[in-house]
Amino acid sequence: DQQVKQNSPSLSVQEGRISILNCDYTNSMFDYFLWYKKYPAEGPTFLISISSIKDKNEDGRFTVFLNKSAKHLSLHIVPSQPGDSAVYFCAAPTSGSRLTFGEGTQLTVNP
Amino acid sequence: DSGVTQTPKHLITATGQRVTLRCSPRSGDLSVYWYQQSLDQGLQFLIQYYNGEERAKGNILERFSAQQFPDLHSELNLSSLELGDSALYFCASSPGLAGETQYFGPGTRLLVL
Repeated sequence: DQQVKQNSPSLSVQEGRISILNCDYTNSMFDYFLWYKKYPAEGPTFLISISSIKDKNEDGRFTVFLNKSAKHLSLHIVPSQPGDSAVYFCAAPTSGSRLTFGEGTQLTVNP
Repeated sequence: DSGVTQTPKHLITATGQRVTLRCSPRSGDLSVYWYQQSLDQGLQFLIQYYNGEERAKGNILERFSAQQFPDLHSELNLSSLELGDSALYFCASSPGLAGETQYFGPGTRLLVL
């Protein structure tokens, strides 16, 4: 059972525009969500998180929105930069500690 | 740099062999997690240790085992290796038991020939 899903395997945007990465989940008991960025041959790097008691969290160019009724979260990157090109994973802790990851979305930011 | 270190970075071995992957957590972190990323399975949780004790187990094969030592570093042992074990193995750490951000190491790329 895939509890965290990222339905878009890839996204391409122009430099300076907004990137919106989406994630859906099935378990309404999730109380915390995280976004990680991963470059090839490197480990996932933590980007931003959001607690289920909030609907928005912002950190510089990165904003995560949470819609609990729709079981949906999104990561907005604005303005997008070529260095943002990477695979983005959403994740949620299940059974207290283990992270369940989505499949990932490859973001390409074109100069 | 997350502060989590993993060695070796690359490992090439043959089927049937045994290998040990090593992880040092961030300073002060008591929890260590192991994840496997293969082409067809994505990032999958294997096992968690907290302060030397096993705390949670995921889809870890019986051929795989792990331990966390008193200095908090951890080792993942993979034995009777099969071609399908070829994957990236990541270690992550966090300060406590649960509900916290996990910080990942650079990974070990294992290739079984």
